[in-house]
Amino acid sequence: EAGVTQSPTHLIKTRGQQVTLRCSPISGHTSVYWYQQALGLGLQFLLWYDEGEERNRGNFPPRFSGRQFPNYSSELNVNALELEDSALYLCASSLDWARTGELFFGEGSRLTVL
Amino acid sequence: DAKTTQPTSMDCAEGRAANLPCNHSTISGNEYVYWYRQIHSQGPQYIIHGLKNNETNEMASLIITEDRKSSTLILPHATLRDTAVYYCIVRASSGSARQLTFGSGTQLTVLP
Repeated sequence: EAGVTQSPTHLIKTRGQQVTLRCSPISGHTSVYWYQQALGLGLQFLLWYDEGEERNRGNFPPRFSGRQFPNYSSELNVNALELEDSALYLCASSLDWARTGELFFGEGSRLTVL
Repeated sequence: DAKTTQPTSMDCAEGRAANLPCNHSTISGNEYVYWYRQIHSQGPQYIIHGLKNNETNEMASLIITEDRKSSTLILPHATLRDTAVYYCIVRASSGSARQLTFGSGTQLTVLP
């Protein structure tokens, strides 16, 4: 069974540009979570999508946005990139979160903003 | 969700048990204790979770004190591949905020 897949794995952008990161959850998983991990820092919760709807949002500005598609895949969009947006962006999926408590993480997309 | 406190770093000899402590003195009755680990530059990996009873799976054991204010993750025979940051997370079993809140974790280094 394929795990959570993310693309691209690495990318370089310049300040002011826009970026779209993609995530495919494990087959059958309906919830997708996005996290940001800046270098040397912990994982910061960004967004949670379930059944196509945004369910919760972390303390990030509106230029961080996303969506979940009918097949439960998800995109994270970051507009007007700033240097401090350089980070590893991790996507995770879950099926029955309340029962198993287990999130399955992808390997992340490493974004560098110059 | 309750806050957790973990040591910043720990060392363990290869083949010995690694015991990672976590304090969660403000834990509520409906909050579970979860453990994840993150090997360098990879996505976090779920290890184990529990409410009040001790739990064991193929990866580790989780010991929760009777008052539930602290817990210990035990890796019975640590290997070099267990070197990682280990996160202890407390989260309610219900509610609208289902995301996990990761702290700083414990950097476990398994020494040969």
